[in-house]
Amino acid sequence: DAMVIQNPRYQVTQFGKPVTLSCSQTLNHNVMYWYQQKSSQAPKLLFHYYDKDFNNEADTPDNFQSRRPNTSFCFLDIRSPGLGDAAMYLCATSRDLGPSGFSYNEQFFGPGTRLTVL
Amino acid sequence: RKEVEQDPGPFNVPEGATVAFNCTYSNSASQSFFWYRQDCRKEPKLLMSVYSSGNEDGRFTAQLNRASQYISLLIRDSKLSDSATYLCVVNRNNDMRFGAGTRLTVKP
Repeated sequence: DAMVIQNPRYQVTQFGKPVTLSCSQTLNHNVMYWYQQKSSQAPKLLFHYYDKDFNNEADTPDNFQSRRPNTSFCFLDIRSPGLGDAAMYLCATSRDLGPSGFSYNEQFFGPGTRLTVL
Repeated sequence: RKEVEQDPGPFNVPEGATVAFNCTYSNSASQSFFWYRQDCRKEPKLLMSVYSSGNEDGRFTAQLNRASQYISLLIRDSKLSDSATYLCVVNRNNDMRFGAGTRLTVKP
């Protein structure tokens, strides 16, 4: 019954060692998002895909990259994790009907991947 | 100025109390608005969308004032299970902006 799935749920990596987090969805939503959430802070949008169109937030470090090979999957690559990148990473999806339709863009979140950097 | 600002909280209320959260946003072109609930170490979950006419879902009432760029959430007859962080979310062209959240604790 899961709709937005994230793997792994917990990831431990070493300082500077690349890591990939994955997200998949069964909702067939055209928009997928990646957020970073640190303790007691709001989720911070890193980037999102509208179909295959990548939209990067201006303040997202180059260290963070993303891939969306198809509608269902989206990956977050952290090229050289630093201690400050330890956080919960949340994937979310929504359905945008485009300019010809109206959508409230409700987001559905996955359970998150908690990243620890040693 | 932050794009989305919420009451800092925390709110500590007894069971049965009525509590109200406020949220303001800076981008007048924002298109849609939501309240999410987030439990400790869990993902945010949609509580309700916020419509211009105001909307109610059981004990929860949300209001939107576009002229003042203001959103509110009212919780009546608070339950222990309402204890969580409440996040205000504002969207424009799939660019979702979260408020910092307001922590609510309902006590017996």
